[in-house]
Amino acid sequence: GAGVSQSPSNKVTEKGKDVELRCDPISGHTALYWYRQSLGQGLEFLIYFQGNSAPDKSGLPSDRFSAERTGGSVSTLTIQRTQQEDSAVYLCASRGQGEETQYFGPGTRLLVL
Amino acid sequence: GENVEQHPSTLSVQEGDSAVIKCTYSDSASNYFPWYKQELGKRPQLIIDIRSNVGEKKDQRIAVTLNKTAKHFSLHITETQPEDSAVYFCAASRLGSARQLTFGSGTQLTVLP
Repeated sequence: GAGVSQSPSNKVTEKGKDVELRCDPISGHTALYWYRQSLGQGLEFLIYFQGNSAPDKSGLPSDRFSAERTGGSVSTLTIQRTQQEDSAVYLCASRGQGEETQYFGPGTRLLVL
Repeated sequence: GENVEQHPSTLSVQEGDSAVIKCTYSDSASNYFPWYKQELGKRPQLIIDIRSNVGEKKDQRIAVTLNKTAKHFSLHITETQPEDSAVYFCAASRLGSARQLTFGSGTQLTVLP
């Protein structure tokens, strides 16, 4: 079946603008994660959604970052008033109920000028 | 929170030789340890994982060992091939919780023909 998809694949924006990044998880997966990967670095956890439970936002670096998941499927990560240090690859992953493996999307490469 | 250290950051081996990548973790409650391979410009993909109730797991040329006492786990790749060249990430999480992965900083493996 289809894997995790993300859009856009690349996004260039100006400092101070808002951006929205989209994630379509694998159909039926109840858990969804957002990670950030800065150049040459590991993946940094941002936020986690599980079913209808309140999201775990403990990894969000500032209040400029927010995310929502509508209908338990598609998720949107929003970054307000972007800064140059927000430039990174934003990866989404989903996991099925009772499974351990997280399946990653291809990521959105964000460049803030 | 959990902290995962990964070494080395870069590793070059001759084709056919073995490669070993090592990780340590700080949270004794972590009990799930996946390894991801990320080729340039591609998404991270799970190559092998291990739970804390076993000490070793093998899948063809890839093996992972876990020492719970030392809070240390390693990836072993035997008979390396050029297509093994990629960045490898170790990670740790707790089964049964939110299971967000804490990643190491990655190892760039280059297999020289």
